[in-house]
Amino acid sequence: DTAVSQTPKYLVTQMGNDKSIKCEQNLGHDTMYWYKQDSKKFLKIMFSYNNKELIINETVPNRFSPKSPDKAHLNLHINSLELGDSAVYFCASSQAGAETEAFFGQGTRLTVV
Amino acid sequence: AQTVTQSQPEMSVQEAETVTLSCTYDTSESDYYLFWYKQPPSRQMILVIRQEAYKQQNATENRFSVNFQKAAKSFSLKISDSQLGDAAMYFCAYRTPPYTGANSKLTFGKGITLSVRP
Repeated sequence: DTAVSQTPKYLVTQMGNDKSIKCEQNLGHDTMYWYKQDSKKFLKIMFSYNNKELIINETVPNRFSPKSPDKAHLNLHINSLELGDSAVYFCASSQAGAETEAFFGQGTRLTVV
Repeated sequence: AQTVTQSQPEMSVQEAETVTLSCTYDTSESDYYLFWYKQPPSRQMILVIRQEAYKQQNATENRFSVNFQKAAKSFSLKISDSQLGDAAMYFCAYRTPPYTGANSKLTFGKGITLSVRP
């Protein structure tokens, strides 16, 4: 029973397209995140949501728009995709204020051609 | 802002031997968490071990242990009896204190690629 699941695992698309990545967690956590891993494997936070409210937005282009319909789901929509958006995107969840680690999804490898 | 530094991009170890991966960090906080995550070729991020800054005792999980030096802001991972399955990329990560609540986030080092020689 997967704790944090993302779909799709792989996404290949052309420049200029709009695409979405979905994430769901069944851990009962109240905080969810999107992290980006670039071609050099560097991981950096993009967004965090707590109980459907945007908490962290780390200077991400406006073309990226996260949406959290409820605390178990956090989706990432990307408009007008660019070559530089190619990366692995990880969803993660944790419990705010608790002594727990973040649990990660399996990642979505986005390739923009 | 917190920073995490992993200065060694690659390391290699002989199977059954011991290897230590280094990590340093910078923070002005006194209470925080440190983690080592493993990322195998499957790209899944797997928690290896965690350390609470207020605990002086070094964390241990089976073959994995840490050497946590709070004053030096150092957090190294020791892998004993290395196995082929340990080959992966390892990331050191810092998590902001629990009182930051929903603002808590992980800051990662650049990672180190560990290869295990049979």
